[in-house]
Amino acid sequence: AQSVTQLDSHVSVSEGTPVLLRCNYSSSYSPSLFWYVQHPNKGLQLLLKYTSAATLVKGINGFEAEFKKSETSFHLTKPSAHMSDAAEYFCVVISYSSASKIIFGSGTRLSIRP
Amino acid sequence: GAGVSQSPRYKVAKRGQDVALRCDPISGHVSLFWYQQALGQGPEFLTYFQNEAQLDKSGLPSDRFFAERPEGSVSTLKIQRTQQEDSAVYLCASSRGARGQGASGGYTFGSGTRLTVV
Repeated sequence: AQSVTQLDSHVSVSEGTPVLLRCNYSSSYSPSLFWYVQHPNKGLQLLLKYTSAATLVKGINGFEAEFKKSETSFHLTKPSAHMSDAAEYFCVVISYSSASKIIFGSGTRLSIRP
Repeated sequence: GAGVSQSPRYKVAKRGQDVALRCDPISGHVSLFWYQQALGQGPEFLTYFQNEAQLDKSGLPSDRFFAERPEGSVSTLKIQRTQQEDSAVYLCASSRGARGQGASGGYTFGSGTRLTVV
């Protein structure tokens, strides 16, 4: 079975400070892991993906995530937050199985304080 | 097209009315998914098509929900006798490979249809 848990429903940081959005997953098979961002009234945009290559994955807009198998985590980070980063972020797991589904976390709303 | 297109962008329906939501996936994409996203929650799986075949409809909440993709391209999600709990954003996603294959390429999502049942 697959599942994904986003540990924080809301994260607030000041502009220019680091961002950490936490994600833990559970998967019976080797998973692919993704982070998507959703701005208000916009569609889901792919930020980055892990597919069993390098464990540190770099994405768009300065975001990166590290796959840690021992911790079953895939936390999203950014060194310096920008006002435009304010959005909803979803951690997603997909397993390589014919019965796989795209499983979304419940989302983390990121707010940026001026 | 360049992306996944969904229409209408917004739909207001009176309770009991039938609605049809359209998804135009990226041309040539084999896989097509429908998701339901309630306010403040993550998207929940509804159904999956591989070309024209509906291989998984385990997420459809009731028999009022029906989806089709007759020619393996455009898909329609139909909701009969809408109820207030159907109010949500309905998202469509497509990918080049079949489910379980090509997941490394990720999935492209449309902007969704926001359905409000009054």
